[in-house]
Amino acid sequence: GIQVEQSPPDLILQEGANSTLRCNFSDSVNNLQWFHQNPWGQLINLFYIPSGTKQNGRLSATTVATERYSLLYISSSQTTDSGVYFCAVGIGANNLFFGTGTRLTVIP
Amino acid sequence: NAGVMQNPRHLVRRRGQEARLRCSPMKGHSHVYWYRQLPEEGLKFMVYLQKENIIDESGMPKERFSAEFPKEGPSILRIQQVVRGDSAAYFCASSPGAGYQPQHFGDGTRLSIL
Repeated sequence: GIQVEQSPPDLILQEGANSTLRCNFSDSVNNLQWFHQNPWGQLINLFYIPSGTKQNGRLSATTVATERYSLLYISSSQTTDSGVYFCAVGIGANNLFFGTGTRLTVIP
Repeated sequence: NAGVMQNPRHLVRRRGQEARLRCSPMKGHSHVYWYRQLPEEGLKFMVYLQKENIIDESGMPKERFSAEFPKEGPSILRIQQVVRGDSAAYFCASSPGAGYQPQHFGDGTRLSIL
């Protein structure tokens, strides 16, 4: 299967700080999604971004498919941003391969 | 438009019992995927189904686990004779299947084995 590596594994931020999360993957893909798993365990779909750049409020993401990585930017972090961020990749309609996640803790 | 619906949200079973997890995909979605998340880990693919067909079950344990997606009704993930190691969160996702589309996830079923 496709290998997905996320970094850093853990991140602690002061409220208001910015951060960048990275996702590297081992093969060419045409599906890439970023998720936020909140403290209640729900998976929130953040971005579907197989290539290019997207922005949604304080969050933005960039995928450089030819270099097999994606970045998730969080600006002006808030305590509600805490949780685990997962990157998942796939090919066509096939299953997704998930990374092991970045655990973000935002302290007030 | 309702999202992917999973039930129950929490399920408690004793060792040796059967667990049935249900998933109704988003309206218009004909592809269903099941994933398992063990504590403190990422999600791992189990099985990919279309109506009345299993497309890929390479992530399913060979014994005790089965899945179906009948012509009518929800997709069912069935675990027979559960053991403590089956305790996990089980997530279902759906997609339209045509072209390149994101998968949409339900809220998961938390299975606890006593």
